[in-house]
Amino acid sequence: AQKVTQAQTEISVVEKEDVTLDCVYETRDTTYYLFWYKQPPSGELVFLIRRNSFDEQNEISGRYSWNFQKSTSSFNFTITASQVVDSAVYFCALRSGAGSYQLTFGKGTKLSVIP
Amino acid sequence: DTGVSQDPRHKITKRGQNVTFRCDPISEHNRLYWYRQTLGQGPEFLTYFQNEAQLEKSRLLSDRFSAERPKGSFSTLEIQRTEQGDSAMYLCASSLPLGQGARETQYFGPGTRLLVL
Repeated sequence: AQKVTQAQTEISVVEKEDVTLDCVYETRDTTYYLFWYKQPPSGELVFLIRRNSFDEQNEISGRYSWNFQKSTSSFNFTITASQVVDSAVYFCALRSGAGSYQLTFGKGTKLSVIP
Repeated sequence: DTGVSQDPRHKITKRGQNVTFRCDPISEHNRLYWYRQTLGQGPEFLTYFQNEAQLEKSRLLSDRFSAERPKGSFSTLEIQRTEQGDSAMYLCASSLPLGQGARETQYFGPGTRLLVL
C-alpha cells in the first residue's frame, strides 16, 4: 500500500519569508514518481513538478526548490521569498512505477502568505 | 493547446436524482482519470481509461457510479440515486500515451463541484 503524509495542515508566513512544505511517502516499489500540485482558491490543481525515484537530483525553478531524499522517504518543497500569490493548498502525490497509474495524494498543506 | 475542460462546473441536486458530468481531455492525451475530492482532503482516485478501455477502478466507485469513454475522447461520469455523501469536487485529469515525454504527469481540469441536498 502507498501512503503520502503531509504533517503540516496549515502554515502562515509573512510575505518575503521562506517556507518549506514537508512530504513523507511510503511505498514498496523500487520505481515510483513523486509530484507536487498547487490548488489555488479557484480549485484547479496545477502541476508543479515530477520527480522519478531514480533521480535524486534536487531541482530549482525560480523561487521554488525541491529536496528529494530517498534515505528518509521525503520530498520537501521550499518557496523562497514567498508572495501573496503563493497562497494555496499544496499537495504532494505518489504514483507507482509498477502498472498502476493512480495518484495517491497527501491531505495537503494550506499556505497563507500574509502581506 | 487547451487544457482539460469539465462541464458543468457546479451542480446542485436533490438526493435520489441522477447526475452526469463530462470531461474533455487535452488533445492527444489517451489516458483519462477521474478523482473525487472532499473538503479538507486530497483527491482520491476513482477510475482510469486508456483510450476507450476502463483499466482501473477504485473500491470507492460503488455500483451507483459509472464512467464511460465511448470513443476514446471525452468521458462521462454518472452517479445514480445520489446521496448526501456524494457531495464533493469531481476532478478529471489526462496524460500522454506511453513513449512520449512527460507521460507520467497528469494534468487536471477545473473540476465539477457537486452538492446533494
